[in-house]
Amino acid sequence: GAGVSQSPSNKVTEKGKDVELRCDPISGHTALYWYRQSLGQGLEFLIYFQGNSAPDKSGLPSDRFSAERTGGSVSTLTIQRTQQEDSAVYLCASSLVARGDYGYTFGSGTRLTVV
Amino acid sequence: GENVEQHPSTLSVQEGDSAVIKCTYSDSASNYFPWYKQELGKRPQLIIDIRSNVGEKKDQRIAVTLNKTAKHFSLHITETQPEDSAVYFCAASNTGTASKLTFGTGTRLQVTL
Repeated sequence: GAGVSQSPSNKVTEKGKDVELRCDPISGHTALYWYRQSLGQGLEFLIYFQGNSAPDKSGLPSDRFSAERTGGSVSTLTIQRTQQEDSAVYLCASSLVARGDYGYTFGSGTRLTVV
Repeated sequence: GENVEQHPSTLSVQEGDSAVIKCTYSDSASNYFPWYKQELGKRPQLIIDIRSNVGEKKDQRIAVTLNKTAKHFSLHITETQPEDSAVYFCAASNTGTASKLTFGTGTRLQVTL
């Protein structure tokens, strides 16, 4: 596609429920990243996929968070047993990496509200 | 790991004046330094980037400078306009090991009439 697509754009869930957030990167981009942005705050790194390498999970805040990237394309971020502190905008980005193109293209994000 | 500090956290300038935002990084191996602009309610967008083999880069009213020795880089916006009002994030990465960016905490720029 022309850009990075994320779905849903908004998600309201009850505390304790599981949620899945989807990211469809730009076709051909080998790297995919998940970040979290709380209201008025910065960009907190969560997880990063690069080609066929093992993902860098060093930013995941707890074992309730997991992500996968199937077929080197679409990625799903799963949050189990959601807590109120998980409320934030979850941003996905992708980059080409090849030919020295490291710039991120971000999706428009999923706004998660845990009530 | 890399740590990026950004100052100031907020900046207010009058239309037509210049704005400067500064960042420092900790990892001397970092070699790629992009800047992102995030308008209210929108996604961050890349506005300019610089690599470690270059000291300065310009694109119309924006420029970025890099001092590798001091491990700091800055964003300069000249002739500011109201549409420059946004949050600006600096970032750094060592592309030799990973393309993952470490972001600064952001600067909220307000351009007043």
